[in-house]
Amino acid sequence: AQTVTQSQPEMSVQEAETVTLSCTYDTSENNYYLFWYKQPPSRQMILVIRQEAYKQQNATENRFSVNFQKAAKSFSLKISDSQLGDTAMYFCAFMRTYSSASKIIFGSGTRLSIRP
Amino acid sequence: GAVVSQHPSRVICKSGTSVKIECRSLDFQATTMFWYRQFPKQSLMLMATSNEGSKATYEQGVEKDKFLINHASLTLSTLTVTSAHPEDSSFYICSVPQGRGHNEQFFGPGTRLTVL
Repeated sequence: AQTVTQSQPEMSVQEAETVTLSCTYDTSENNYYLFWYKQPPSRQMILVIRQEAYKQQNATENRFSVNFQKAAKSFSLKISDSQLGDTAMYFCAFMRTYSSASKIIFGSGTRLSIRP
Repeated sequence: GAVVSQHPSRVICKSGTSVKIECRSLDFQATTMFWYRQFPKQSLMLMATSNEGSKATYEQGVEKDKFLINHASLTLSTLTVTSAHPEDSSFYICSVPQGRGHNEQFFGPGTRLTVL
């Protein structure tokens, strides 16, 4: 069974700083997807970034980038130039590739606060 | 991507009554939808996979007779919490997979259920 672990329940940084959220996972699969989702106070789940395991290049989306270490089963999220609007819960998530069920397994989340 | 709505956004009911929550895919025909439950300050836990035209697939530990799922059309899945009790109070979120290999999921805004 796949598991996703986020070891940082809470983090707080000053606006404009860079912050890195950690995530490790466990799977015997070779091909899969990894995600970071953001859940602001509105509770709407928002996809931040997606990484396909067969791609060696780390995914980036504007201020958001990941450090994907497949051998170590590590998938951290870096937020550069953090903004007040980045304050939210962040969930790391795993999904098997081309699974008929395509279920997503979420980590426990990291509550990120950006201080003005 | 798919636009997903949920109705109602919040509901308060008395213990012992049944509550129906709707999940609609507004612009995409979904043969599969997922239902999650999120307790306060916790992560999303997959409850079941809703399959159009067939029975839902429930995750281990989820009572199928208590959480009835019906996926009668390609745009609508319903979750009925039967004989609700205070411990069923939670945030219920649905998602619609889309894309090649279902590698994207779009989440509804969620329904907050409070059982008195």
